[in-house]
Amino acid sequence: GNSVTQMEGPVTLSEEAFLTINCTYTATGYPSLFWYVQYPGEGLQLLLKATKADDKGSNKGFEATYRKETTSFHLEKGSVQVSDSAVYFCALSGGGATNKLIFGTGTLLAVQP
Amino acid sequence: DVKVTQSSRYLVKRTGEKVFLECVQDMDHENMFWYRQDPGLGLRLIYFSYDVKMKEKGDIPEGYSVSREKKERFSLILESASTNQTSMYLCASSSSSGGLWAQYFGPGTRLTVL
Repeated sequence: GNSVTQMEGPVTLSEEAFLTINCTYTATGYPSLFWYVQYPGEGLQLLLKATKADDKGSNKGFEATYRKETTSFHLEKGSVQVSDSAVYFCALSGGGATNKLIFGTGTLLAVQP
Repeated sequence: DVKVTQSSRYLVKRTGEKVFLECVQDMDHENMFWYRQDPGLGLRLIYFSYDVKMKEKGDIPEGYSVSREKKERFSLILESASTNQTSMYLCASSSSSGGLWAQYFGPGTRLTVL
């Protein structure tokens, strides 16, 4: 079945460092891919999305490219800030009538000043 | 902007109590979802609904039921709360059109069962 695997955290970085959070997936067909972010004490927010191979989703300085050949959707940011500290979830759509999302287990990012 | 609201941010209940968690969305979305989030386990789908009065079991439906009498409202019911249902509960909604399948989440309800 469909599944998402993302790197375990926590990831601890200094401010202005480069961020990569790895995400790979297993899916039949052509799922849409998503990154969600959860700030402390809050629900999940959609950060970015990509619907087909080679699409690049971007938002708030974060980027991820839908790579079908490597079944990956890695999240990157060139210069992180303390305010980026949060849990990041990779997800894929199951597609079809049920419209379910499959989530990874989440990666905690801690950015230190 | 899509807005998904949940009736309570924090809730404390006793074992055996019946618990209602309410979720309302204002974007006329067809689909609504209930998840629970636990450390190390990520998000697990409890139930979802793709239309009024329709419901489908997710991955962990045991001990829960749901109700969707109106399109904008989706309720999660714990018939007899137990301590292992202490968790963060997240509601989400999405549209069936457009093919993007993005879900929009509420702020969550942290439920403690004593």
